[in-house]
Amino acid sequence: EAAVTQSPRNKVAVTGGKVTLSCNQTNNHNNMYWYRQDTGHGLRLIHYSYGAGSTEKGDIPDGYKASRPSQENFSLILELATPSQTSVYFCASGDGGAGQLYFGEGSKLTVL
Amino acid sequence: QQQVRQSPQSLTVWEGETAILNCSYEDSTFNYFPWYQQFPGEGPALLISISSVSDKKEDGRFTIFFNKREKKLSLHITDSQPGDSATYFCAATPTGGNNKLTFGQGTVLSVIP
Repeated sequence: EAAVTQSPRNKVAVTGGKVTLSCNQTNNHNNMYWYRQDTGHGLRLIHYSYGAGSTEKGDIPDGYKASRPSQENFSLILELATPSQTSVYFCASGDGGAGQLYFGEGSKLTVL
Repeated sequence: QQQVRQSPQSLTVWEGETAILNCSYEDSTFNYFPWYQQFPGEGPALLISISSVSDKKEDGRFTIFFNKREKKLSLHITDSQPGDSATYFCAATPTGGNNKLTFGQGTVLSVIP
């Protein structure tokens, strides 16, 4: 069964600190995605990747970086965290083009 | 600018009733419209999907109705069960979009026993 795992599941950070959210998938999918979920906004795409070594900007990339060192791993990096980045972050993987993504269980980030 | 809109924001129905969740979109290049179901504390999971060449897609108690001319969809959940209580997201992606989904804001469905 498709599996996407995220770590950490919960994180409290201070303003100005660096945060790294990690994602691992065992689906052998080329495409991976980072979304954030906020009430009233649904899920919004931050960064995505078509394969190892590639990263692309999504709809709301400001303040975030991404890294795809291998087929299985995709990280989201907040170099200077701000309270506005408090959210739940979801990683997903999925090929095929018809909109089927497999999501992880989410990482809840609180920036104080 | 919300390219995919959902209504209502929340919906409460009695067990056994039909729940109707609505979705509209703006981008004419969108060709695939998956609906995702999310339970508290979990990630979204694909529930049912339709492409723009169809006007209806059925899977058990879940049916999508699609009106391309009006750029509207609806998800009908017949014989609603308490276990259907969840947040439902309508999403859209164009052909060749590499699964880059644009999501609506979600509808929170509560089914009362």
